[in-house]
Amino acid sequence: AQSVTQLDSQVPVFEEAPVELRCNYSSSVSVYLFWYVQYPNQGLQLLLKYLSGSTLVKGINGFEAEFNKSQTSFHLRKPSVHISDTAEYFCAVSEWGYNFNKFYFGSGTKLNVKP
Amino acid sequence: EAQVTQNPRYLITVTGKKLTVTCSQNMNHEYMSWYRQDPGLGLRQIYYSMNVEVTDKGDVPEGYKVSRKEKRNFPLILESPSPNQTSLYFCASSLTGGLGNEQFFGPGTRLTVL
Repeated sequence: AQSVTQLDSQVPVFEEAPVELRCNYSSSVSVYLFWYVQYPNQGLQLLLKYLSGSTLVKGINGFEAEFNKSQTSFHLRKPSVHISDTAEYFCAVSEWGYNFNKFYFGSGTKLNVKP
Repeated sequence: EAQVTQNPRYLITVTGKKLTVTCSQNMNHEYMSWYRQDPGLGLRQIYYSMNVEVTDKGDVPEGYKVSRKEKRNFPLILESPSPNQTSLYFCASSLTGGLGNEQFFGPGTRLTVL
């Protein structure tokens, strides 16, 4: 992948509202796709990943993401957010083939859940 | 407890003074990697290692060195640090490279170069 774009640097949302965090990537080959979450002052944790098969992927904490090959997107969604979801979210890509050991991350989206 | 550890967690140094940030994992992972995180840029891969004695450059390798003499350890070396290397550094490991394996991240090392 040459680039991973997370269009929204910050997303404010009220508790119990739905949220979508957007991720687009550019690549000329097949890819693996990931969403990681970073809580304040911590390392990153895997939320979910897409390897192949069903384009709708479910992860931890009620998050899900949908892979859209034609639009080269992998948007993250949650139907009802909680205060504890406040964190920074990163989309990441690794390619099949020659560069399969390299990982590309987006610039991150800070989700701020308000009471 | 399965984990990736990094030391030190915080470091303030001066330009040109060589330093090493250590990384160790206890999960018998083959693949290890270093990233730097900068505001607005996300994480960028510095170097990675597919196994002992096998390393390769990521996207931003300039000014860094690595070595992988043992499976569990993957130190990051800055031989002559400069202020533009002030950043938050993360070490990560996974079972193998590629194949969609999950990466496990360390807690991070915040480096300031004056």
